[in-house]
Amino acid sequence: AQSVTQLDSQVPVFEEAPVELRCNYSSSVSVYLFWYVQYPNQGLQLLLKYLSGSTLVESINGFEAEFNKSQTSFHLRKPSVHISDTAEYFCAVSPRTNAGKSTFGDGTTLTVKP
Amino acid sequence: NAGVTQTPKFQVLKTGQSMTLQCAQDMNHEYMSWYRQDPGMGLRLIHYSVGAGITDQGEVPNGYNVSRSTTEDFPLRLLSAAPSQTSVYFCASSYSKERGYSYEQYFGPGTRLTVT
Repeated sequence: AQSVTQLDSQVPVFEEAPVELRCNYSSSVSVYLFWYVQYPNQGLQLLLKYLSGSTLVESINGFEAEFNKSQTSFHLRKPSVHISDTAEYFCAVSPRTNAGKSTFGDGTTLTVKP
Repeated sequence: NAGVTQTPKFQVLKTGQSMTLQCAQDMNHEYMSWYRQDPGMGLRLIHYSVGAGITDQGEVPNGYNVSRSTTEDFPLRLLSAAPSQTSVYFCASSYSKERGYSYEQYFGPGTRLTVT
């Protein structure tokens, strides 16, 4: 069994400020970790993923996340946000033996204000 | 590639009616899944499939049926619609040996279903 907890349901932040969206997980099996982003009235898109190797992973638009095995966390950070980053962000885990059986957190709404 | 496609985009049903939500993918992915998204509850897994002819239940399977006769298609059937099934439904696919084991999920645009 696995579960995902996103610690903040809403995060308001001013443009160009740093932001951290927190994600903790629990699982009885080894998992892969993901962050997805959902813009209004759209499906989810992959933002970044941790499969193995370096615990710090980066996306092409400046987000990064660090896998912390001892704390079972996978927090998402960006040093300077833009208005266009306003969206809902979901943390998810998948068992390494079943990529189709993902468990998602409840989501964090990031609102970037001018 | 069209990716993952879903039809219809919107649907209104009366209580007790049945319908099928269609999902297709053209990436030759082995795994396909159905999720429902409700406000403040993230995505919850309804059913999933690890290949043609193989399906299994997820977290919230009651009231829904699936089958997978081909790699490409994974329809979701609502047997007797209830207001509690009002939600946004997403289909997703993942995991292709040919494309190097893509573990992330690719999502369709969603179907917004209202049951009155």
